Amino acid sequence: QKEVEQNSGPLSVPEGAIASLNCTYSDRGSQSFFWYRQYSGKSPELIMSIYSNGDKEDGRFTAQLNKASQYVSLLIRDSQPSDSATYLCAVNQRGRDDKIIFGKGTRLHILP
Amino acid sequence: DTAVSQTPKYLVTQMGNDKSIKCEQNLGHDTMYWYKQDSKKFLKIMFSYNNKELIINETVPNRFSPKSPDKAHLNLHINSLELGDSAVYFCASSQEPGSYEQYFGPGTRLTVT
Repeated sequence: QKEVEQNSGPLSVPEGAIASLNCTYSDRGSQSFFWYRQYSGKSPELIMSIYSNGDKEDGRFTAQLNKASQYVSLLIRDSQPSDSATYLCAVNQRGRDDKIIFGKGTRLHILP
Repeated sequence: DTAVSQTPKYLVTQMGNDKSIKCEQNLGHDTMYWYKQDSKKFLKIMFSYNNKELIINETVPNRFSPKSPDKAHLNLHINSLELGDSAVYFCASSQEPGSYEQYFGPGTRLTVT
C-alpha cells in the first residue's frame, strides 16, 4: 500500500504564531490532497483540499502542494488555542480502487 | 440537520456476540465508506460503496459484512466479535469515489470485553 507520512508530534506553537504541518506521500499518481482536523473524541472534519501545485488560501489556513517533491503542507496563521487538534493529511490513491489514504496525523498544541 | 449520522454512538459487548452499526447520509452523495480508527488513532478504510455497489473491500476479516440497502444508507454487521475489534468506527460519504472530499459521521466507539 502506498504511504502517507506525517510527523506524529506533538507540535507546540505559541498562540499567534504560524503553525506548519507537513506531509509526504509515495504515490506519484496522486491527484487530490486533503487536510482534516480531528479534535479529541470527535470525527475528522475537512478543512482544506488542494489539487494543483502551489498555494491555496482559506482564511487563516494555507495548503501548499509540490507534486515534484511529493510534499503537501498546511500553514495556520495567527494560531489560536482552538486550533489544538490532530491534523490528518489524506491523499487519493489511483488505481483499481479509487480511495483516500490517511496519514497517522500530527498533534498540534497551541500554547496560550 | 445532521449530514452523516451513525447509531449507536457507543457499543459495549462481549466477545463472540454479533452487532450492527447503522449509517445514514442526507447529502445526496453517491459514495459511502466505513473506516476503523484504532487506539493509536490510525484511520484506515475498510469498505466503500458507490451507488449501492461495493467498490473497495480492504483486507478485513469476513466477520465484517457491509450492506447498502440504498445509496443513503450503509450498515456494518460484525459477527463473532473479538477483543481486537475494539475501536472507533466512522462512516463517511463523498459525492463520488476517492478524489472527492469526504464527510464523516460522529463515530461509533465499540468496546469488546
